[in-house]
Amino acid sequence: GENVEQHPSTLSVQEGDSAVIKCTYSDSASNYFPWYKQELGKRPQLIIDIRSNVGEKKDQRIAVTLNKTAKHFSLHITETQPEDSAVYFCAASKGTGGFKTIFGAGTRLFVK
Amino acid sequence: DTEVTQTPKHLVMGMTNKKSLKCEQHMGHRAMYWYKQKAKKPPELMFVYSYEKLSINESVPSRFSPECPNSSLLNLHLHALQPEDSALYLCASSQEFWGQFSGNTIYFGEGSWLTVV
Repeated sequence: GENVEQHPSTLSVQEGDSAVIKCTYSDSASNYFPWYKQELGKRPQLIIDIRSNVGEKKDQRIAVTLNKTAKHFSLHITETQPEDSAVYFCAASKGTGGFKTIFGAGTRLFVK
Repeated sequence: DTEVTQTPKHLVMGMTNKKSLKCEQHMGHRAMYWYKQKAKKPPELMFVYSYEKLSINESVPSRFSPECPNSSLLNLHLHALQPEDSALYLCASSQEFWGQFSGNTIYFGEGSWLTVV
């Protein structure tokens, strides 16, 4: 089955710096890659996503890139702010008569 | 409105109890999910319902029994749980659509915090 690896597990940056989180997936049939942000005690919430026919997507300070050949995708946060501190999960999914979304282990981001 | 509602928010149950978690969505989504999340871990898929039929069971122990009464409701029946089953149980839904570049945005509920004593 699908396996999603996420790095780093912890990331600490100074306010205003950029943060990059990287994920790799194993199933070449996966075609949808969402990113979720989870604050302490709250639900995971979608912050950005990318589909397999797109190489890059940007939404204000957040961008995601996808390299299908290498099976890599990354989250980029620019001009980080204290409210960006949270756990970020990447995920990969494909449609198989009921979508199976598999999450990476998570990255705990601290913005100092 | 991207609202998935879960009840109860907190549940404490003994190992011999029977209880249920409930989930409701009114977004017209045709796929609904149960995820389990332990502290400092990612959500772990348990079950997927597609068009009210169970389509994925991730080898979940039979002490967890899902039910989908209709397209808006999803239940998780709990019986004879173990302390290690204590976790946050997240319900989610998504709008299924097919195609080469289909996507599947999952919307999570607030979760039910379960403690088994």
